[in-house]
Amino acid sequence: QVQLQESGPGLVKPSGTLSLTCVVSGDSITSTNWWTWVRQPPGKGLEWIGEIYHTGSINYNESLKNRLTISVDKSKNEFSLRLTSVTAADTAVYYCARDRVVRGVPPYFDPWGQGTLVIVSS
Amino acid sequence: DIQMTQSPSSLSASVGDRVTITCRASQTIKNYLNWYQQKPGKAPKLLIYGTSTLQSGVPSRFSGSGSGTDFTLTISSLQPEDFATYYCQQSYRTAMFTFGQGTKLEIK
Repeated sequence: QVQLQESGPGLVKPSGTLSLTCVVSGDSITSTNWWTWVRQPPGKGLEWIGEIYHTGSINYNESLKNRLTISVDKSKNEFSLRLTSVTAADTAVYYCARDRVVRGVPPYFDPWGQGTLVIVSS
Repeated sequence: DIQMTQSPSSLSASVGDRVTITCRASQTIKNYLNWYQQKPGKAPKLLIYGTSTLQSGVPSRFSGSGSGTDFTLTISSLQPEDFATYYCQQSYRTAMFTFGQGTKLEIK
């Protein structure tokens, strides 16, 4: 059973850096899948942030790419998110998920981590 | 970016009702359309991928159809546990995944 678990500070100061890690169990981070981040501001919808492949290939949401870094640590079977210069607009529940890649099948996100709330406030 | 528009944004229905939620893409996405269910305080859960393939363990009362730009999620007979928010997602342009704004399904 594949499981993902996010971790990181729940409170970040404005203009600071938001850093989160997602630990993967039940699947290898070096499998054929991509590994993705999604966020959800309180009471709002889902926004895709970006994703990474174990080789280091990355796709970023254009609206965030200037502030965003996603990395992978194969030795720990985990991947991470770093978002700089945060503002209140970055307050959200942050989810990590597996971007399932199967030949001949459109990609989809499954499973998801439980999510972690990050509040940007002084 | 490919914009995804769901309708309605909210919907009231009763147990046993047949419910349909629609999702429209701003350009063709072939069959690269996924549906997720989210309950309050929980992570989204995959229901359907590739427009019409039910994820393992998802009840058969859920079904999906469509192609190109217009897609639907149908629940044939609403159960109490189905009251949630539903999101569509395009995975055609994988360098920029996008979700619909969500449809909140409430008890009438």
